[in-house]
Amino acid sequence: DTEVTQTPKHLVMGMTNKKSLKCEQHMGHRAMYWYKQKAKKPPELMFVYSYEKLSINESVPSRFSPECPNSSLLNLHLHALQPEDSALYLCASSQDEFSAASQLTADTQYFGPGTRLTVL
Amino acid sequence: GQQVMQIPQYQHVQEGEDFTTYCNSSTTLSNIQWYKQRPGGHPVFLIQLVKSGEVKKQKRLTFQFGEAKKNSSLHITATQTTDVGTYFCAALTSGTYKYIFGTGTRLKVLA
Repeated sequence: DTEVTQTPKHLVMGMTNKKSLKCEQHMGHRAMYWYKQKAKKPPELMFVYSYEKLSINESVPSRFSPECPNSSLLNLHLHALQPEDSALYLCASSQDEFSAASQLTADTQYFGPGTRLTVL
Repeated sequence: GQQVMQIPQYQHVQEGEDFTTYCNSSTTLSNIQWYKQRPGGHPVFLIQLVKSGEVKKQKRLTFQFGEAKKNSSLHITATQTTDVGTYFCAALTSGTYKYIFGTGTRLKVLA
């Protein structure tokens, strides 16, 4: 099973709402990621979790709060978002956290289908 | 911060024509990956290159890593309509633990 699942597929929220995005993988991967992708742009890394611990936060505003309840699940809690936060939010996982010395297959990132978020 | 540029930004080709996208970094890279994202879809891993001058082939796709490990290319021979999408390179720099995605090349194939 090489699938990463994300829910919901679409989300529309107001600026005062609180919502959560969910991501799940059952490949035994030890690293999980949140990316943000605006239309016609490349994915931008937001957070990296390695062995359920936050290892990278790319200076993401605190209105985005990640959580890794266990090795298979990754959540992204949203609060007081702005319209410019509207984007496709992609979750990904890989066997291990990246390093130049890693095995060739360990770096492969498996992406979920994404949650298309609209903030009104 | 580090930028990874891809050229061209867009490419329209007739079905059967070849296509090449180039990925360029200002710094030396450890590894480079290539992903394909179909319209409305998510990135799908294609290949990873690690060694200087490495060339890998997957059917009609040929991937190359430059000798100086600062650039890479993806060449598609005899494009098909199923090749439509955006091709991203993703680069890992020594001492870092994240892949930076290139700006992407959007390919359209006209039947």
